[in-house]
Amino acid sequence: DADVTQTPRNRITKTGKRIMLECSQTKGHDRMYWYRQDPGLGLRLIYYSFDVKDINKGEISDGYSVSRQAQAKFSLSLESAIPNQTALYFCATSDLPSGQGAFEQFFGPGTRLTVL
Amino acid sequence: DQQVKQNSPSLSVQEGRISILNCDYTNSMFDYFLWYKKYPAEGPTFLISISSIKDKNEDGRFTVFLNKSAKHLSLHIVPSQPGDSAVYFCAASAKGGKLIFGQGTELSVKP
Repeated sequence: DADVTQTPRNRITKTGKRIMLECSQTKGHDRMYWYRQDPGLGLRLIYYSFDVKDINKGEISDGYSVSRQAQAKFSLSLESAIPNQTALYFCATSDLPSGQGAFEQFFGPGTRLTVL
Repeated sequence: DQQVKQNSPSLSVQEGRISILNCDYTNSMFDYFLWYKKYPAEGPTFLISISSIKDKNEDGRFTVFLNKSAKHLSLHIVPSQPGDSAVYFCAASAKGGKLIFGQGTELSVKP
C-alpha cells in the first residue's frame, strides 16, 4: 500500500463550486504539505503543517484553506473554485530533518483538478 | 521572485552519455539542496541531496555538485539510461524544513 494517498485522483468541477482534496499518510510523519504544479512554474507551496495544531500559509495560499484532522490526514479546500486553480495538486509529508535524509519529503500520486 | 531556477525546460541525451541538469539559486541562506525525479502520473520521488557544507555528493550513477560562490548546483547522471527519462526538480531549504522548488527540467534519454 502507498505511504501517501490522495483522493480523488482526478476531478472536474465548475467555477464557484467548493472542492475538497484529501491526503492520508501511514508514514507517521508530523509534517505535511500541499503543493500545486503548473507547467513552467514547478511545485509551489500552498499550505503546510508541522503538527496537528500548526497550520501555515505557503507562497500561494489565497483561495485555499486547509484542515489537519489528525496526524495522518491533511485536507485542502477550494472554497469557490476558479479556472486558474486548474492544476496538479500534490500532498507531501516529512519527518523532522536529521542526518543524511534531511528535509526529504515524500509525495502522494497527485490530484488532477480541472475547473471549468 | 524565483529563488530557485532551472533555466532549461528540457534536455535530450543519448543513452550511455552523461546528463547534466543545472539549477541556480539566489538565497545564500539555503542550507540543503535536493533533487527530485517525477514520472508522468506519479508524485515526485527523492533522488539525492547535498548539504551546503559540502561540494559533492555521489550515489551510484547520480552525483550532485554544489558551487556556493556561484550559487549553482548540478546533477550528473552517468551513464544515462532510458529509464532516467523524467522531469527533474531541484529544491532548496532554509532552516525550517520548507522546500522551494525550481521549475523542472524534462530529461529525455534516447536509445
